[in-house]
Amino acid sequence: KQEVTQIPAALSVPEGENLVLNCSFTDSAIYNLQWFRQDPGKGLTSLLLIQSSQREQTSGRLNASLDKSSGRSTLYIAASQPGDSATYLCAVRYGSGGSNYKLTFGKGTLLTVNP
Amino acid sequence: DAGVTQSPTHLIKTRGQQVTLRCSPKSGHDTVSWYQQALGQGPQFIFQYYEEEERQRGNFPDRFSGHQYPNYSSELNVNALLLGDSALYLCASSFRTQGNLRGSPLHFGNGTRLTVT
Repeated sequence: KQEVTQIPAALSVPEGENLVLNCSFTDSAIYNLQWFRQDPGKGLTSLLLIQSSQREQTSGRLNASLDKSSGRSTLYIAASQPGDSATYLCAVRYGSGGSNYKLTFGKGTLLTVNP
Repeated sequence: DAGVTQSPTHLIKTRGQQVTLRCSPKSGHDTVSWYQQALGQGPQFIFQYYEEEERQRGNFPDRFSGHQYPNYSSELNVNALLLGDSALYLCASSFRTQGNLRGSPLHFGNGTRLTVT
């Protein structure tokens, strides 16, 4: 079964700390992996998209890595700020079957950055 | 540049009723997907529309149906509502690059919060 797991479920850190969010997936045959941010009661904001041929992507203070062989991705947030507080979701587009368009999501990591 | 817009933002319905949710994709996008997100869970794929046809469907009953119009906007219809249908319904759009959708990032709207009583 193709699943996505995110650890930890919740994380609380002081402002300024560097942190890592983890995502694992069950099948190495993926097309891409996308990290999203979701504020309470809101929709999803795309942060980074990593294609299956890439190892990492960077945007500002965010860096996402992809290791297909181990079925893992990490989202690194540098110098965290209270405005980074949100739920972070990892989503995988699996490649099996050649015609899969859906994203399979993890349950997310709730991040709280304390001033 | 307008992003993905969904309407209404909130909706309250009674068990057994029917509901229609609407989505306008981001400018330049031609593909629309719908997701259901229960409280505390990740979004679950319902279906995707491209060229006015349902291209792929998730594990949802036939009570869930959709439509895509020539201007790429889309509707999600849910019949015979159950209490368990209460959730945030998210619309996501993307575009096909040279026929390959799989590499395109998805852009999500803010969702419609459906409450079934």
